[in-house]
Amino acid sequence: KAGVTQTPRYLIKTRGQQVTLSCSPISGHRSVSWYQQTPGQGLQFLFEYFSETQRNKGNFPGRFSGRQFSNSRSEMNVSTLELGDSALYLCASSPGTPANYGYTFGSGTRLTVV
Amino acid sequence: SQQGEEDPQALSIQEGENATMNCSYKTSINNLQWYRQNSGRGLVHLILIRSNEREKHSGRLRVTLDTSKKSSSLLITASRAADTASYFCATANFGNEKLTFGTGTRLTIIP
Repeated sequence: KAGVTQTPRYLIKTRGQQVTLSCSPISGHRSVSWYQQTPGQGLQFLFEYFSETQRNKGNFPGRFSGRQFSNSRSEMNVSTLELGDSALYLCASSPGTPANYGYTFGSGTRLTVV
Repeated sequence: SQQGEEDPQALSIQEGENATMNCSYKTSINNLQWYRQNSGRGLVHLILIRSNEREKHSGRLRVTLDTSKKSSSLLITASRAADTASYFCATANFGNEKLTFGTGTRLTIIP
């Protein structure tokens, strides 16, 4: 079956712009989580959605937001981009609670802010 | 913030040797999971060990968990060039659905 699909794979944006990243989970997976990965901070949890509801949220500013649609597809949005937002953004899906089932990750979206 | 910390940060060994990496964490956990990440790609789930388990095997992988020391180890036996990757532990706390990842060990297998 198809894995977790993230689009786009690469993105270059200018400071102050906004960006939307997309994630299609594995069919049947209702939980979708987002992580930011940088060399300095490692993997940082952004948020998790389950059945269209945000179930968990990390310690990121309000510029970072997300949503999940009825087909479990998810988007995350970053507004007013800063240079420090340059990172690999990873989406991961799980059939239920990630803590119990683990994640299947997508290949990520590499965002560069210039 | 990181819950787990892997040790060593980087490890280089000859192909065919065994590789051991360790993970220490701070608070009580429900389970601990290990993931592999090839350069610039997504993470791949390797193994999950529950807090009431002490050891688990999957192919060439062996994971141990010592809850009294709040530590886990991942052993890869008979390493191959394809095992070159970063390895992360991730912990799940009771009552919290999310996973918190450690800092990772960068493993290089020398052919």
